[in-house]
Amino acid sequence: EAGVTQFPSHSVIEKGQTVTLRCDPISGHDNLYWYRRVMGKEIKFLLHFVKESKQDESGMPNNRFLAERTGGTYSTLKVQPAELEDSGVYFCASSQFWDGHTEAFFGQGTRLTVV
Amino acid sequence: AQSVTQPDIHITVSEGASLELRCNYSYGATPYLFWYVQSPGQGLQLLLKYFSGDTLVQGIKGFEAEFKRSQSSFNLRKPSVHWSDAAEYFCAVGDNTNAGKSTFGDGTTLTVKP
Repeated sequence: EAGVTQFPSHSVIEKGQTVTLRCDPISGHDNLYWYRRVMGKEIKFLLHFVKESKQDESGMPNNRFLAERTGGTYSTLKVQPAELEDSGVYFCASSQFWDGHTEAFFGQGTRLTVV
Repeated sequence: AQSVTQPDIHITVSEGASLELRCNYSYGATPYLFWYVQSPGQGLQLLLKYFSGDTLVQGIKGFEAEFKRSQSSFNLRKPSVHWSDAAEYFCAVGDNTNAGKSTFGDGTTLTVKP
């Protein structure tokens, strides 16, 4: 069974450009999470989808970030326009159930560098 | 608000030596605790988790962790480190209504000397 897949694995863009990150969750997992790690600090929660709906987007930093999950399958995270402080590693995770006992499985991450 | 502290940014141990990585958490309810490992070029891999029951939990790759409520700690241990254990380790506390939404520590980088 394939795990959580993210691409690209690396992306280098200029300040002001747009970048779209993609996450394919484990098949059958309704719950999809985005996290990011900026400047070697802690990994921070961004948002949680249940199928195609945003259940919790309390961690989204600002309106330059737009997450979508059309059809409840894969998800995209768009940054527009990108700023230098957006550089970091963006992780996606998925889980089958939304409860207090089911952990999420993480992808390998996308390293974003804004220059 | 919940928080996780990993006091050691970087630890170096010799191959074959024992290892303990520290983790302290702050959470208002019964915590759900995780340890993840990220090897170079790899994603986050779950090493072990604690939800309830026995406070000493066994994980993959020979790791174990002990939950101590009185100390708000969940330290990771391994009796004999292998060179392949060199990686970054993250402690996390999961929301008790949504375990997939976790608060992570800053991570501890482990270097293994030959």
